[in-house]
Amino acid sequence: IAGITQAPTSQILAAGRRMTLRCTQDMRHNAMYWYRQDLGLGLRLIHYSNTAGTTGKGEVPDGYSVSRANTDDFPLTLASAVPSQTSVYFCASSDPGVGANVLTFGAGSRLTVL
Amino acid sequence: QKEVEQNSGPLSVPEGAIASLNCTYSDRGSQSFFWYRQYSGKSPELIMFIYSNGDKEDGRFTAQLNKASQYVSLLIRDSQPSDSATYLCALNSGYSTLTFGKGTMLLVSP
Repeated sequence: IAGITQAPTSQILAAGRRMTLRCTQDMRHNAMYWYRQDLGLGLRLIHYSNTAGTTGKGEVPDGYSVSRANTDDFPLTLASAVPSQTSVYFCASSDPGVGANVLTFGAGSRLTVL
Repeated sequence: QKEVEQNSGPLSVPEGAIASLNCTYSDRGSQSFFWYRQYSGKSPELIMFIYSNGDKEDGRFTAQLNKASQYVSLLIRDSQPSDSATYLCALNSGYSTLTFGKGTMLLVSP
């Protein structure tokens, strides 16, 4: 089934630990995104990539890094997790050059930092 | 910073009624507008998008765009309990990125 796979689904993490959230898509979409969703704050863009080899900063990039070595994978790394990074993280992808830029979302990764 | 404003709700409507969800935005240069639905504990899924002023219909859903007044709305006709969800308004904020509103919770009572 075509779509986006995120892992892990849920994780509890001690503050100060390093964590990588994985995202893989099989739709050959050029663009990929990481959003975080917090109660009362909505979806906020962390980082994005318009094509393999390029990345850009979104609204809330501090404390996060990404890489885009190939079309399919877009991992998000928290180098040293802090409690304020407790959130639900959604990976998404799209093909901006083809009609409307419709984002397809993964199922999300719920991260708790203690 | 492009801003997208939505009433958080909840908006409560009885089954069979028309639900009207509204969204205003700050950037007059925005060109594309999207409505996503998000059930509790799930990821957002696209309902429809609109580019041009006026109405766009898809089944029970109608999106309305007024660029002069900088608002976009979503009408849901014959609302069903299964329509109970949070509805997210979004707009293009660059070549590929979308900026989302905080969402409006809709509750449809049987």
